[in-house]
Amino acid sequence: GEDVEQSLFLSVREGDSSVINCTYTDSSSTYLYWYKQEPGAGLQLLTYIFSNMDMKQDQRLTVLLNKKDKHLSLRIADTQTGDSAIYFCAETGQAGTALIFGKGTTLSVSS
Amino acid sequence: DAGVIQSPRHEVTEMGQEVTLRCKPISGHNSLFWYRQTMMRGLELLIYFNNNVPIDDSGMPEDRFSAKMPNASFSTLKIQPSEPRDSAVYFCASSFGSGTPYQETQYFGPGTRLLVL
Repeated sequence: GEDVEQSLFLSVREGDSSVINCTYTDSSSTYLYWYKQEPGAGLQLLTYIFSNMDMKQDQRLTVLLNKKDKHLSLRIADTQTGDSAIYFCAETGQAGTALIFGKGTTLSVSS
Repeated sequence: DAGVIQSPRHEVTEMGQEVTLRCKPISGHNSLFWYRQTMMRGLELLIYFNNNVPIDDSGMPEDRFSAKMPNASFSTLKIQPSEPRDSAVYFCASSFGSGTPYQETQYFGPGTRLLVL
C-alpha cells in the first residue's frame, strides 16, 4: 500500500543546515511535496518537486529526490529559529485520490 | 480570499455530546478534505469530497463520525456521541482538484481544537 515515512524529530543549532528525510512507497507518484506547520496553525505548502527531477532549489530550501530509492529530502540552509515547525512530506496517491502525508518531522532550532 | 474558514476554533464538550465542526473552503476549489491530528497518530485523512461528493471515507474512525457537503461552500464533520479519545485538532483543507501541483496544492484552515472531557 501507499505509505510515507519520516523521522519524528530533528534538533539543530541556529545557522546550521537542517536535512529532513522522507521515504515513500508509491513509485507512480507524479509530484512530491513539503508542507510546513507552524505552532497552532494549519499546514502550508513549502515546495514541491516533479518526479522526473533530481533537485529543486528555492532560496534557502533544496529538495533532493532519489527516485530509485524513493527517498526525498529537504535541506534548509542557515536554519533560523523561525524555521522551528513540523515539516510534512507528501506524495500524490493513485489517480483520483488525495495526497498521502507522512506523520511529520518536528524541527527544533536552538540559538 | 479569506482562505479556508473553520469554526469553532476551540470546542470543549463532555463525553456523549454531539459535536459539529464546520468548514468553508476557498471559493472555486473542487476538493475538500477533513483531517485529524494527534500527537500519537500524526495527521490522518478522515474523508475527502470532490465536487461535493464523498470520494474516500475509509479514514473515518467509526460510525460515530459523519461528514456532509451539501454545497460547494460548506461542509460539516459531526461526532455523535463524542468520546475523550476524539480529542484532537481537526483540519479542513481544500484544493482545485487533482492534476498539476497547482491544482493539488491543499490549503489548510487553522483547525478546530476539540477537547472531550
